[in-house]
Amino acid sequence: NSVLTQPHSVSESPGETVTISCTRSSGSVANNYMQWFQQRPGSAPSIVIYEDTLRPSGVPPRFSGSIDTSSNSATLTISGLQTEDEADYYCQFYDSGEHRVIFGGGTKLTVL
Amino acid sequence: EVQLLESGGGLVQPGGSLRLSCAASGFTFSSSWMHWVRQVPGKGLVWIARIISDGSVATYEDSVKGRFTISRDNAKNILFLQMSGLRAEDTAVYYCTADTITVTTYYWGQGTQVTVSS
Repeated sequence: NSVLTQPHSVSESPGETVTISCTRSSGSVANNYMQWFQQRPGSAPSIVIYEDTLRPSGVPPRFSGSIDTSSNSATLTISGLQTEDEADYYCQFYDSGEHRVIFGGGTKLTVL
Repeated sequence: EVQLLESGGGLVQPGGSLRLSCAASGFTFSSSWMHWVRQVPGKGLVWIARIISDGSVATYEDSVKGRFTISRDNAKNILFLQMSGLRAEDTAVYYCTADTITVTTYYWGQGTQVTVSS
C-alpha cells in the first residue's frame, strides 16, 4: 500500500512563503489526483487544494498546489503567510486500485 | 450550502457498541460516495470506511474490518457507522465526509467524539 510522507512541522514568518511536501512511496504521483486539507485547532479539516492544483472558491490565491513526478511528490505552497494560516495540513489521494483513501501524516505549520 | 451533521458519539465500555449518524443536506446525497474518517486527539487523519452512492459496495480499513459497518439511507439522506467490539484504540473524533463527482472527501462534518473506556 502506498504511503504519503510529510514533514512533521514547518515554520516561517508572516509575509514569507512556505512549502509543504508530500512524497508518495509507491505508484506515480501523476496517477491519482492529490488533495490538501487545512485543519485549524479545534476545527474539522477543510479542503484548500483539489486535483493537484485547483483552489475551491473562498480559498485565497496565496495557496497553490503542484506535483513533481521526478521526486514523486506533491507540494503545497502558501505565500504571504498570515497568522491565520497556522494549522495542520494534510495531503490525500484516493487509491482506486485498493479502494481506500490515503492521508499523509500531517504537517504542523507555525507562523512565527 | 452543504451540511454534514454527525451525532451518536459518546462514552462506551470496551467491547460495547455504538451507532453514529450523519445527516446530509445541500447536495445530492444519493449520488455521492461517502466516507468516515477518524482522528485520535493530537494525531493525524485516518480513513476507515467508504460506501458508494447506492450503498451496494463498502470498503474498510483493516483495523475496523469485521467490527464496523458503514451504511446509508438515501431516502432520508443519512449515513451510518455501526461500531461493535469497541476497543480503547477506537477512541477518536469521527468525521463524516462526502465526495463530489471528482474529488474524494471534499466536504466534512464537524465530527463526533467517541470515547471507549471502562
